[in-house]
Amino acid sequence: AQSVTQPDIHITVSEGASLELRCNYSYGATPYLFWYVQSPGQGLQLLLKYFSGDTLVQGIKGFEAEFKRSQSSFNLRKPSVHWSDAAEYFCAVGALNQGGKLIFGQGTELSVKP
Amino acid sequence: EAQVTQNPRYLITVTGKKLTVTCSQNMNHEYMSWYRQDPGLGLRQIYYSMNVEVTDKGDVPEGYKVSRKEKRNFPLILESPSPNQTSLYFCASSFSPPGLRPKGEQFFGPGTRLTVL
Repeated sequence: AQSVTQPDIHITVSEGASLELRCNYSYGATPYLFWYVQSPGQGLQLLLKYFSGDTLVQGIKGFEAEFKRSQSSFNLRKPSVHWSDAAEYFCAVGALNQGGKLIFGQGTELSVKP
Repeated sequence: EAQVTQNPRYLITVTGKKLTVTCSQNMNHEYMSWYRQDPGLGLRQIYYSMNVEVTDKGDVPEGYKVSRKEKRNFPLILESPSPNQTSLYFCASSFSPPGLRPKGEQFFGPGTRLTVL
């Protein structure tokens, strides 16, 4: 069965520092992969998505993610974190053989130190 | 403004008292879905709907019902709520299932925080 693992429950970075959030997936075929952000008290907003082609995907708010098939990973990165990036981040895989639903990881909560 | 709305945003109720959480979207989306979010578990799909009058179970459907009588509305019904249904609930919509045709973005509502005492 497909699954998504986000190994880090909580990460704290200093403002201006770089960020990498990890995501590993288990899926038989080429996956559709997504990163969402959930700000406090808000719904989920799509940051970026990967379907095929270039393995480095650019998203909104200065985020990018790289698909690495050999490592079954889709890590999210940002070169310089802003205080407003503090939120919870979810990685998800599109389950082609389960009605096309999204399977989410457990989430990573990001705190930003001044 | 394109959006998914949910009501109520916050609800405290007691065990066994039937409740409905409404969800409405104004984007003419065919696909709608309900999720629950619990700490350490991420989001899990409860039910989804491919179109009007077409609904199906997700991963955690027990204790929930849905209906899709109109394209824009997809209410979530808890006939007899129990404390283990205390959670944060999200409704989402898109033109097509996000894992099948992912060029269609899935839009999420703001969430409904439900507490069952």
